[in-house]
Amino acid sequence: QVQLQESGPGLVKPSETLSLTCTVSGGSISNYYWSWIRQPPGKGLEWIGHIFYTGNTNYNPSLKSRVIISVDTSKQQFSLKLGSVTAADTAVYYCARRDWGNCSDGSCYTWFDPWGQGTLVTVSS
Amino acid sequence: DIQMTQSPSSLSASVGDRVTITCRASQSIYSYLNWYQQKPGKAPKFLIYAASSLQSGVPSRFSGSGSGTDFTLTISRLQPEDFATYYCQQSYSTPPTFGPGTKVDIK
Repeated sequence: QVQLQESGPGLVKPSETLSLTCTVSGGSISNYYWSWIRQPPGKGLEWIGHIFYTGNTNYNPSLKSRVIISVDTSKQQFSLKLGSVTAADTAVYYCARRDWGNCSDGSCYTWFDPWGQGTLVTVSS
Repeated sequence: DIQMTQSPSSLSASVGDRVTITCRASQSIYSYLNWYQQKPGKAPKFLIYAASSLQSGVPSRFSGSGSGTDFTLTISRLQPEDFATYYCQQSYSTPPTFGPGTKVDIK
């Protein structure tokens, strides 16, 4: 089955750029949307954005000015860059596939599955 | 953005109990509602989509209901492996948003 694995630095300095990569294995990266979701310690889940395998992106308006998500289909990877980070960006960052089903009249139910195991990124000097 | 709320924020229950968690959306999301289970230090696990459709492999003691703005997740007979935090998530509009979670712990 499809598995996702996040990788990247666990510590980033304030004002710098957080960079993470998600590697997809056990299935093709094609024909799906791929998301980044984060969870500050002890808090809830926040969707950061997603990318289609063709490169089309959509970002959370709350982060849009600082986020870039890219995809490399040849490597079965997609990546997250979050600029100008502060302590508020400290979180576990997850990558996830947006799956869908029960489509009718051009509208589909969608959900996040599977997820990577998550990687903690701490913003600190 | 559509705001999601959950109640209660936490509950204590015993093995074998029936547990119900409520999720409310700030506007109608029809049936575009998903549920996830998260255990400490783990990624969320997808349970239910379209408010009431069980993901393959999810035990039948889990069920979901509701439409519009009000939804429920019910665990009919709580098992030891069910102690976790549960999140609802709307998929009706972008950005997708999650509820704050309901922690189910052992009484």
